Amino acid sequence: DQQVKQNSPSLSVQEGRISILNCDYTNSMFDYFLWYKKYPAEGPTFLISISSIKDKNEDGRFTVFLNKSAKHLSLHIVPSQPGDSAVYFCAASGNQFYFGTGTSLTVIP
Amino acid sequence: DGGITQSPKYLFRKEGQNVTLSCEQNLNHDAMYWYRQDPGQGLRLIYYSQIVNDFQKGDIAEGYSVSREKKESFPLTVTSAQKNPTAFYLCASSIVLLAGVQETQYFGPGTRLLVL
Repeated sequence: DQQVKQNSPSLSVQEGRISILNCDYTNSMFDYFLWYKKYPAEGPTFLISISSIKDKNEDGRFTVFLNKSAKHLSLHIVPSQPGDSAVYFCAASGNQFYFGTGTSLTVIP
Repeated sequence: DGGITQSPKYLFRKEGQNVTLSCEQNLNHDAMYWYRQDPGQGLRLIYYSQIVNDFQKGDIAEGYSVSREKKESFPLTVTSAQKNPTAFYLCASSIVLLAGVQETQYFGPGTRLLVL
């Protein structure tokens, strides 16, 4: 049973515009939520996280929003750059980490 | 430099052969994990360990074995019982906070396993 879901397998955005990646989860007991960026044949790189007691965390061009009532989080990248093109995984931590299936972001120059 | 290392980067397995993937971390993290990624798919948990000499099965543990004799090391053996071992294997580690809460997980560069 998939506890963390990313329903959009791919997303294309023009350079300079906003990229919004979405993630849904089922377990209200998760403590932290994380976003990772992954290039092919490399390990995922940690991007940004948010505690379950917060609703927003910002780091430069990256902002994560958490809506606990909807069990939904999103990653906003603004402005999007071609180097942001990668697969993005959301994850949630409890007694272990649970990952979504990823969204492939393409930023078009 | 602190980090997680995995070796080798590429590994070839013959039919009926056991192979072992290495994972070492010098981050002083308590917990270590092994994941498998298949093309176009997400990360699936094979095994994890939160303390030395203890580990738990993940979602797809069949055909795999692990050991955690040292805090820094968590090798994964792909046994001959794993019928479809070709995949990209990722090792990760994290700090375990109070009450078992884990805040952030960091990954190694991965090992690609291919069957000859």
